[in-house]
Amino acid sequence: DAGVIQSPRHEVTEMGQEVTLRCKPISGHNSLFWYRQTMMRGLELLIYFNNNVPIDDSGMPEDRFSAKMPNASFSTLKIQPSEPRDSAVYFCASTIQRDTQYFGPGTRLTVL
Amino acid sequence: AQSVTQPDIHITVSEGASLELRCNYSYGATPYLFWYVQSPGQGLQLLLKYFSGDTLVQGIKGFEAEFKRSQSSFNLRKPSVHWSDAAEYFCAVGAAGYALNFGKGTSLLVTP
Repeated sequence: DAGVIQSPRHEVTEMGQEVTLRCKPISGHNSLFWYRQTMMRGLELLIYFNNNVPIDDSGMPEDRFSAKMPNASFSTLKIQPSEPRDSAVYFCASTIQRDTQYFGPGTRLTVL
Repeated sequence: AQSVTQPDIHITVSEGASLELRCNYSYGATPYLFWYVQSPGQGLQLLLKYFSGDTLVQGIKGFEAEFKRSQSSFNLRKPSVHWSDAAEYFCAVGAAGYALNFGKGTSLLVTP
């Protein structure tokens, strides 16, 4: 089975540009999580979905961030406009309810 | 509120020596506990998990962890460390199927 797939693996953009990160969860998993990893704050949850429905978005930093899950096999995290402080590694993880979260390789975002 | 404390930011051990990484948690109910490992530039890989039952759990790569409710701890151990174990280790707590709260991580350096 393929694991969680994230694209792009690396993204370099300029401040003010729109950034879209993509995630394909493991087939059959019904929960999807977006985490952000920074040196200062460590790993923190941004948002998670259960059966394609957003359950908890309290970790989304501000209105510049939005996430969607239009179907069970695809999710996006969008930042518009991007700022240098958004530079981080963004991870997507998926799970079947009541089981382990499996993480993708991450997207390293650099905002200049 | 859930929280995880990993008291040691960095640990250095000699190859072949034993290892113990500490993890303390705060959780209102019976916790689901996890240890993940992250190699540089990689995603998070599950080492082991505790949901219920035997408090000593075995994981991959020769790791084990012991859940001690009275001490709110879930320490990770390995009897003999290999150079390839050098990585960042994260303890996490949460309800299965829900978002995880991660500790800040412990960076392991293995010396010859």
